[in-house]
Amino acid sequence: GAGVSQSPSNKVTEKGKDVELRCDPISGHTALYWYRQRLGQGLEFLIYFQGNSAPDKSGLPSDRFSAERTGESVSTLTIQRTQQEDSAVYLCASSTDRPPQHFGDGTRLSIL
Amino acid sequence: AQSVTQPDIHITVSEGASLELRCNYSYGATPYLFWYVQSPGQGLQLLLKYFSGDTLVQGIKGFEAEFKRSQSSFNLRKPSVHWSDAAEYFCAVGAEWGGGNKLTFGTGTQLKVEL
Repeated sequence: GAGVSQSPSNKVTEKGKDVELRCDPISGHTALYWYRQRLGQGLEFLIYFQGNSAPDKSGLPSDRFSAERTGESVSTLTIQRTQQEDSAVYLCASSTDRPPQHFGDGTRLSIL
Repeated sequence: AQSVTQPDIHITVSEGASLELRCNYSYGATPYLFWYVQSPGQGLQLLLKYFSGDTLVQGIKGFEAEFKRSQSSFNLRKPSVHWSDAAEYFCAVGAEWGGGNKLTFGTGTQLKVEL
């Protein structure tokens, strides 16, 4: 596609449930990034993929968070046993070997 | 560790007035610097970027930014603001190439434009 595509655009779930967020990067982009944006705050880096390996996962806040990527294609971010503090917008970005990063519209996650 | 400070949380300007949004960064080497804009419910759109060379960079929508190493600043400017510029603006600094280039963002400046 022309841009970074994320799904779902909105997700409401109950505390304790698992959620999967999907990111489809721009075709040909080898690098993929996940960020979290809490209400009224800037973006926090979560994890970076180069191809299907994750050289930097330093931003994952706990072991409830995990992510994977298939080749240089789709990535999924999984949050297990969701907590209310996980409520945020989760943004995905992709780039070639060099910056800048191009962002999707995000998934707005609400934990009840 | 790298960091970005955007001192102004909210700014209100009249349409047609000039605009300057402040950004200060902390980084150990020559940074990659970016300004992004976010409209409600949307992702981030890149306005402009600085990697090296000319310290005054031009971007889309009539925006420009100036890199001042001595002040560790990368302020965003526009000579005449349009009502459609109302949005949230984020300054970001990137790690050196080879480090994955994850971005560190400021907390954003919310711009309101009065007609």
